[in-house]
Amino acid sequence: DAGVTQSPTHLIKTRGQHVTLRCSPISGHKSVSWYQQVLGQGPQFIFQYYEKEERGRGNFPDRFSARQFPNYSSELNVNALLLGDSALYLCASSPSGGELFFGEGSRLTVL
Amino acid sequence: DQQVKQNSPSLSVQEGRISILNCDYTNSMFDYFLWYKKYPAEGPTFLISISSIKDKNEDGRFTVFLNKSAKHLSLHIVPSQPGDSAVYFCATNTGFQKLVFGTGTRLLVSP
Repeated sequence: DAGVTQSPTHLIKTRGQHVTLRCSPISGHKSVSWYQQVLGQGPQFIFQYYEKEERGRGNFPDRFSARQFPNYSSELNVNALLLGDSALYLCASSPSGGELFFGEGSRLTVL
Repeated sequence: DQQVKQNSPSLSVQEGRISILNCDYTNSMFDYFLWYKKYPAEGPTFLISISSIKDKNEDGRFTVFLNKSAKHLSLHIVPSQPGDSAVYFCATNTGFQKLVFGTGTRLLVSP
């Protein structure tokens, strides 16, 4: 069984650009969450979607947005990139509740 | 303001000995705690959890202890193995699958 898959695995952007990160959940999982992990810190909650609806949002600016598609895959979008957005972006999926299963992450570098 | 704190950034133990990883939290309303393990270039993987109605939960070599009065939990690994070398995150569930993570402790188990 495929786990949570994320793309791209690595990317480099410059300040002011926009980025889109993609996540495919484990088959049958309807919930997708996004986390940001800055070097030396633990993952920080950004968004959670369940059945295509936003169920939670962390303390992130409006430059961060996300959506979930009918097939339960998800996109995280970040506009007007700042140097401080450089981080590992983790996607996690789960069934209606319970344990989160994380992907390997997308490592974003903003120059 | 860190709601979940892991004050030891690193820990080194010898193979076969006990590893004890500590975690403190600030809010007595938190009622469910999890430990995740993370290897380089991989996403975090769930290890063990504990509900506040219990003070101990055991799964093979891994045991988590919860001291509610001290707002403290610890993860014991006995016996430690070199494959246990990873970063360990303590986390609590503050909403519908919204996890708040600590900053992590890097465990190194030497042969």
